[in-house]
Amino acid sequence: QQQVKQSPQSLIVQKGGISIINCAYENTAFDYFPWYQQFPGKGPALLIAIRPDVSEKKEGRFTISFNKSAKQFSLHIMDSQPGDSATYFCAASNNAGNMLTFGGGTRLMVKP
Amino acid sequence: EPEVTQTPSHQVTQMGQEVILRCVPISNHLYFYWYRQILGQKVEFLVSFYNNEISEKSEIFDDQFSVERPDGSNFTLKIRSTKLEDSAMYFCASSGENTYEQYFGPGTRLTVT
Repeated sequence: QQQVKQSPQSLIVQKGGISIINCAYENTAFDYFPWYQQFPGKGPALLIAIRPDVSEKKEGRFTISFNKSAKQFSLHIMDSQPGDSATYFCAASNNAGNMLTFGGGTRLMVKP
Repeated sequence: EPEVTQTPSHQVTQMGQEVILRCVPISNHLYFYWYRQILGQKVEFLVSFYNNEISEKSEIFDDQFSVERPDGSNFTLKIRSTKLEDSAMYFCASSGENTYEQYFGPGTRLTVT
């Protein structure tokens, strides 16, 4: 019940296209859903996060869509750039100060 | 911009040896965490620490692991007797009070031979 399932495992997008990564969770106690971006050899960097009281959050080219009834959330990267090529992890938590449960990761490659 | 730092960046050790991984969390943060990531796999939670005690730990965090905040700035993870399967990237993270946002350090790559 603690799992967060992420898809796809890998994604290739042309420059300027939209990248979409999906996550699903089971634990209804989760109330915080961040996305992390990780470049090779680096630590995960917090990209954007959402709480379940809103259905969408946008920051620049990055948007999280959240569907509470379906227990799903997704990351949309608009106008994808080669510099966005990285591994993206969704995660979830059920309280401030509590552990993050991570999805399996999506390796994104944006072709020039 | 404040950031979490970790040392060393790479540690090579022999099986059965003790290792200590060090972290300096963001200065006004109160929650501290260790996660690990085996090569090519997802990030897994190990332990969280608040108010000088462990607040949560996973099944991975067995008796071979311990954490400590020896002074006002450092946060350490000790593995008492390393195994081959402990080879992974170990990430320290920290967060402030009443906030969910966790900030990760650059990691320590532990290689057990």
